[in-house]
Amino acid sequence: QKEVEQNSGPLSVPEGAIASLNCTYSDRGSQSFFWYRQYSGKSPELIMSIYSNGDKEDGRFTAQLNKASQYVSLLIRDSQPSDSATYLCAVIGVGGSTLGRLYFGRGTQLTVWP
Amino acid sequence: EAGVTQFPSHSVIEKGQTVTLRCDPISGHDNLYWYRRVMGKEIKFLLHFVKESKQDESGMPNNRFLAERTGGTYSTLKVQPAELEDSGVYFCASSQPGAGGYEQYFGPGTRLTVT
Repeated sequence: QKEVEQNSGPLSVPEGAIASLNCTYSDRGSQSFFWYRQYSGKSPELIMSIYSNGDKEDGRFTAQLNKASQYVSLLIRDSQPSDSATYLCAVIGVGGSTLGRLYFGRGTQLTVWP
Repeated sequence: EAGVTQFPSHSVIEKGQTVTLRCDPISGHDNLYWYRRVMGKEIKFLLHFVKESKQDESGMPNNRFLAERTGGTYSTLKVQPAELEDSGVYFCASSQPGAGGYEQYFGPGTRLTVT
C-alpha cells in the first residue's frame, strides 16, 4: 500500500511570508509528483508537477524534489490571502495496472492572514 | 477549453436506493479516473478507463459499484444499492499522456449523502 504523508497542519502564515508545505512518500520507485490546491467545496486544482530531483519554479510557487529522501515540498513565496486553501500532495502509481493512478496525502490546510 | 464536468453536484438518497453519477472528461482525453473522498480521509482511487476499456478497477470498494464508459466519452458510476458508508465526494479526473505526463485535471465532484 503506497503512502503519502503530509503535515496535517493547519499552517498559518502572515501575508507576504513564505509558506512551506512538506510531503513524504513510501514508494521509492515513484517518478511523478504533483501539488493540487483545493478551495473549500471546490475541485482539486493542479498547480505544480515535478519529475526530476531539484527545484521547479512557476511564479510564486517552487516545488522541490529529493528522491533519495523520498521527499517533495512546495514553497509559496509572498503568500497572499487568496492562497488560503488545502494543498494536496499526490504521487503517481508505477508499474503494471496501477500506472496512472494518483495516491494522495490528506492535505495541509494553509491560512494566510492579512 | 471546457474542463471536466460532473453531474449531479449533490445527491441525497436513502440507504438501499440507486444513484448514478456522470462525468464528462476534457474533450480528447482518453484517460478517465474516478476517485472518492470520504470525510476525514484522503482522496482515494476507484478506477481508471483508457478510452472505453477499464485499465484498473482495483480501487472499487465492492460489486455494488459499477462504472461504464460507453464509446470512450463520458462515464457513469452507479451505486446499487447504496449503503451509509458510500457517502462522500466522488471526483472524476481526466488526462492525456504526452508532454504533460500524467497530469490529471479534476471535476468539481459529486457530493453523495446516503441517509
